[in-house]
Parts: sequence; C-alpha cells; structure tokens
Amino acid sequence: GAGVSQSPRYKVAKRGQDVALRCDPISGHVSLFWYQQALGQGPEFLTYFQNEAQLDKSGLPSDRFFAERPEGSVSTLKIQRTQQEDSAVYLCASSLFSSGGAFTDTQYFGPGTRLTVL
Amino acid sequence: GQQLNQSPQSMFIQEGEDVSMNCTSSSIFNTWLWYKQDPGEGPVLLIALYKAGELTSNGRLTAQFGITRKDSFLNISASIPSDVGIYFCAGLTPFQGAQKLVFGQGTRLTINP
Repeated sequence: GAGVSQSPRYKVAKRGQDVALRCDPISGHVSLFWYQQALGQGPEFLTYFQNEAQLDKSGLPSDRFFAERPEGSVSTLKIQRTQQEDSAVYLCASSLFSSGGAFTDTQYFGPGTRLTVL
Repeated sequence: GQQLNQSPQSMFIQEGEDVSMNCTSSSIFNTWLWYKQDPGEGPVLLIALYKAGELTSNGRLTAQFGITRKDSFLNISASIPSDVGIYFCAGLTPFQGAQKLVFGQGTRLTINP
C-alpha cells in the first residue's frame, strides 16, 4: 500500500520567494504532523492536524509559516518570504488515530522535502 | 524547547559488533520511541516503549524505558551492513499535546566491513 508521499522532493528558492510543500498522508489517517529537520539534527515539531482541525501550531517558527488541511486529507505547508534559515528538510507524518492518552499511534513519515533557500 | 540528549553522536564499529546508544532528558516521558533514518528518507519506527521499566525486542534490537522515565537505551546485537544509518530517540511527555514528538539529535552509525 502507499505510504506518506511528499512533493516536491527538492525545492530551491531565492530568498523572499513563497513556497508550498505538499503532503499526501496514508489514506484514512486522522492525524497529520509537520516537522522541520535541520542538517545534522533531529526533526522538530511544527504543527498537528486532527482531520481538518489544526490542534497545535506551537512549533511554527514565525508567522511566515502557515499550514492547512482543508478537507482532512492532503496538507500544504506554506512558507512566505523565505529566509536562508528556513533551509531544512520538511517531514510530514500521519497516524491512524489521535489517542491523546498514554499510548500513541505510530506516526508514519514521508521522505521529506529538502528546501534550500539561496 | 524541550530536548533529548542522545549519545554517542556517532559510532564507528566493525561488522558483527554489538551497539549501544542512549537518550536522557531532564523531564519525564510517558512514551519512548526509537527511529532509524536512511539518507533521503523519513524516520522509520523501530521500537515503541510505553511503560517505565519496559524492555522490548525487535529482532536484533532491544530497547528499554528507564525506571525514572527520563532515559532510554537501544542495543543492536551482531551488527550488519544494513544497520548503517542515523538512529533517533523520541519521546512524548504527559504535559504536552499527546501527539507532539520530541527527538534527540541522533546517533550516526557507521560499520566497517
């Protein structure tokens, strides 16, 4: 079966440009997450959706970052007026449920989009 | 933000050797997870731990959830070339949103044939 897919896989942007990164979660997965992974570091949480509702956006680094999931499936992470410090791999993950308790549902990660801002 | 301290940062071993890496935090976690990431790919879950003291195996991999809930370790026995990659610990705390994973900095494993 298909896993989480992300597009584009690579994106080069000039400083100041807007970019849009797409995530197609596993079909039927309720929860969707975005993470940012800087070179040589572990992923860092950006935002979380349960269906179409954005329940946590505490990790978004600035108001230039915006994420949406209007129909509860595909999600788009948009970065406005890109800066060099935005260069990173952006990972999307999805899970079947959002348990909210001591047990968690496995988050399946996509391959990521590598963004390079020149 | 909250961080996990993962060590060692890198390991260079011979094929067939056992590997051990660990993760510590100043805060308690109620779930510990270990992921492996290959170049150009997203992290893949290896082992999940849900209770303090829990010891779980997945083939040649064994991981434990520390009694204090502030640490975890991962062991790999009899390493093989396909074990090469970056290993990340990740945790969920009871004080954050239930789904927000906090990752360590990673341990890069290199195997000499």
